[in-house]
Amino acid sequence: EAQVTQNPRYLITVTGKKLTVTCSQNMNHEYMSWYRQDPGLGLRQIYYSMNVEVTDKGDVPEGYKVSRKEKRNFPLILESPSPNQTSLYFCASSFNPGQARYEQYFGPGTRLTVT
Amino acid sequence: KQEVTQIPAALSVPEGENLVLNCSFTDSAIYNLQWFRQDPGKGLTSLLLIQSSQREQTSGRLNASLDKSSGRSTLYIAASQPGDSATYLCATMDSNYQLIWGAGTKLIIKP
Repeated sequence: EAQVTQNPRYLITVTGKKLTVTCSQNMNHEYMSWYRQDPGLGLRQIYYSMNVEVTDKGDVPEGYKVSRKEKRNFPLILESPSPNQTSLYFCASSFNPGQARYEQYFGPGTRLTVT
Repeated sequence: KQEVTQIPAALSVPEGENLVLNCSFTDSAIYNLQWFRQDPGKGLTSLLLIQSSQREQTSGRLNASLDKSSGRSTLYIAASQPGDSATYLCATMDSNYQLIWGAGTKLIIKP
């Protein structure tokens, strides 16, 4: 089954404790992206990647890191989480946006709480 | 900087009605515009994508239009059903493939 998986689905952590949210897709997609969703602010793009070893900042990259060492994986790293990073996070993947097959597939979301 | 606005924030209509959701954007230099739906507690589902050079796209009861000159897109839902109840989001993609999202319209279809 074609899907985007995220782990963990729920995470409660404390300020400053490094964490990684994993994202994996099995559709051989080139484009992967991370978003956060906050009430009243909607979805905002954090980072995106056009292919292996290629990453770009989105709208709100501060406080986050990403890596794309393999095509299928795109982990989101919070080196020193702070309470303002409490949010619902989504990973998404697609073929290259320039291709006719382009359509974004989303993971189920990770609800992160930083205390 | 691109800003995407969706009005109204919430909409409630009786089942069977045709309805229009609105999306406006400030920068017409977009690569494409996309419509998604989000169901409570679930992820997002892609509905329609309109390329910059296109005027509209259709899928079943859904029709999305794009007018770059006025910075507007509409999502038309025909013969609405209770299963259409969800939050509908639009997003613009620029030439660097960055997505900017609207805050969404929460749609409730009353049986």
